[in-house]
Amino acid sequence: DTGVSQNPRHKITKRGQNVTFRCDPISEHNRLYWYRQTLGQGPEFLTYFQNEAQLEKSRLLSDRFSAERPKGSFSTLEIQRTEQGDSAMYLCASSFSGIEQFFGPGTRLTVL
Amino acid sequence: DQQVKQNSPSLSVQEGRISILNCDYTNSMFDYFLWYKKYPAEGPTFLISISSIKDKNEDGRFTVFLNKSAKHLSLHIVPSQPGDSAVYFCAASESGGGADGLTFGKGTHLIIQP
Repeated sequence: DTGVSQNPRHKITKRGQNVTFRCDPISEHNRLYWYRQTLGQGPEFLTYFQNEAQLEKSRLLSDRFSAERPKGSFSTLEIQRTEQGDSAMYLCASSFSGIEQFFGPGTRLTVL
Repeated sequence: DQQVKQNSPSLSVQEGRISILNCDYTNSMFDYFLWYKKYPAEGPTFLISISSIKDKNEDGRFTVFLNKSAKHLSLHIVPSQPGDSAVYFCAASESGGGADGLTFGKGTHLIIQP
């Protein structure tokens, strides 16, 4: 399968814990995006990498959220000190042209 | 404030008929528009896109129409099939989808009835 993959698919954590999600983009894609989707809403853009450079991070929801893309391959999204309001689907997408983005299946986070 | 609006949360269409999904936007800087389809427990799947310099783009059963003066676009599916039942998201991009990412609407749940 050469699509975008995300791990884990589901994560249940207790409030205050840190969580990290991984995204592996389509191999030839140099752009990688993170989105969050809550119930009844469309995906909400969080941050964007071109190769290893994080070109946009002002949309990250708070300073508890951070993302990395070492070596321009896979990416990780970390949420520190999770809150119940962080419960959502976290989606990763990758692109070569930057216009048509291809999404992974998402990681569903539940914060108890 | 929602820059991309899909005002119909759901739409029911009989199999074989035309499905028309609508989308309105407020940001005149958007220069590219996309439609995505989403099944439960899966990520959105890209369907079709249109540049702001065009007014129509067609791909098989899917056609997207753009009316820039009205800031309105629509997705036509002809003929509708049971597998088309899903949530459809309209999305828009500035600057070719660069640093701003995509701005999505809330989605329309399309139900194809046999």
